Amino acid sequence: GAVVSQHPSRVICKSGTSVKIECRSLDFQATTMFWYRQFPKQSLMLMATSNEGSKATYEQGVEKDKFLINHASLTLSTLTVTSAHPEDSSFYICSAPSGRLYNEQFFGPGTRLTVL
Amino acid sequence: GQNIDQPTEMTATEGAIVQINCTYQTSGFNGLFWYQQHAGEAPTFLSYNVLDGLEEKGRFSSFLSRSKGYSYLLLKELQMKDSASYLCAVSVRGSTLGRLYFGRGTQLTVWP
Repeated sequence: GAVVSQHPSRVICKSGTSVKIECRSLDFQATTMFWYRQFPKQSLMLMATSNEGSKATYEQGVEKDKFLINHASLTLSTLTVTSAHPEDSSFYICSAPSGRLYNEQFFGPGTRLTVL
Repeated sequence: GQNIDQPTEMTATEGAIVQINCTYQTSGFNGLFWYQQHAGEAPTFLSYNVLDGLEEKGRFSSFLSRSKGYSYLLLKELQMKDSASYLCAVSVRGSTLGRLYFGRGTQLTVWP
């Protein structure tokens, strides 16, 4: 089946640094990818929609200058958390539409970000 | 906006049957998904309903009533490994293709 990978799976960084998270579709092309954030025991919160070849679309309340998204190719989207602070510590998950019958989302394994 | 509601927590015993409900209020409903998510892992696709009725897939079944804005996920012969969060999500016409609106998730705990 379709596979979406994320790298790194875990990252710990100091406050004020920037962290880049990669999301790759391994066996299919994705013109659109979605980035979510999930806090403990809460549901997925959509942050932004990554569009290949154009600017990302951000959800209300998400700072686009803080969460930089680049959809460099049909198989790669990156999320950069700039000047990270402890409140940015969360589980970040990307997904891509499968393009199959139900167009269900295939999710990456997630990235656990801890900002000290 | 989209409003999707499901219970926060449920518990059941091994071997039992549990039904997780989801109600939604959306404009341009275009299908409902159920996902399973174990702690610290990515959600995995369970089912999809767009027409009224019951879809059965092994131990899991999903039901949809469009007129009532209601769905449920039925899990039979519960196993310990079914302890997870179950996410209800709807697709809406006019949104970015593939964009889903998620409920808060129902944390199911299966006891021995």
